[in-house]
Amino acid sequence: SYVLTQPPSVSVAPGQTARIICGGDKIGSKNVHWYQQKPGQAPVLVVHDDSDRPSGIPERFSGSNSGNTATLTISRVEAGDEADYYCQVWDGSPDHHYVFGTGTKVTVL
Amino acid sequence: EVRLLESAGGLVQPGGSLRLSCAASGFTFSSYAMSWVRQAPGQGLEWVSTMSGSGVNTYYADSVKGRFTISRDNSKNTLYLEMNSLRVEDTALYYCAKDAGGISFLDSWGQGTLVTVSS
Repeated sequence: SYVLTQPPSVSVAPGQTARIICGGDKIGSKNVHWYQQKPGQAPVLVVHDDSDRPSGIPERFSGSNSGNTATLTISRVEAGDEADYYCQVWDGSPDHHYVFGTGTKVTVL
Repeated sequence: EVRLLESAGGLVQPGGSLRLSCAASGFTFSSYAMSWVRQAPGQGLEWVSTMSGSGVNTYYADSVKGRFTISRDNSKNTLYLEMNSLRVEDTALYYCAKDAGGISFLDSWGQGTLVTVSS
């Protein structure tokens, strides 16, 4: 089955840029989506289809995807961005499964 | 505004059964696939099951296949998850989520309901 690997944690100072990677075999050929989950809350979609933002998500959140790595970039990090972030793909063949990454805890120093 | 409200979970003994429901509003329910995603305490997100808008197509994670059944009643705008032969490792917060258009990503989530499997 398809596996998505993320670093367990990323630390960043306020105002700096956080980059969260998501590794998967030929992930560049898939559409990658990203969710933010704050403690005690349900996940929220922040980027879909590699780089599109849902309405209401700040432009500071952006995404890219190529080769074996997808990246979520958070620019000008704020304290409120501290959360767990998960990447996700739909593995349509042969398993027909949603696949979530292992998750990355972003800590704002 | 999309709203997804899961029914109360509960404490179940290993081997027991439980049915979760998810009441949806704010969108044309029958036009969208719906999914269940769970999160064990302190762990990451784990996809459980997805059903197409028509109910024709269903998909399950290997960890629940043969034990869990997803269903929906489009006349009641409600999604269900029938869980049988529950195991301690099924203990988790279960989220109901709306698929965006086709089966690709989840654009709205409920607040989750806790299922605890323990003797």
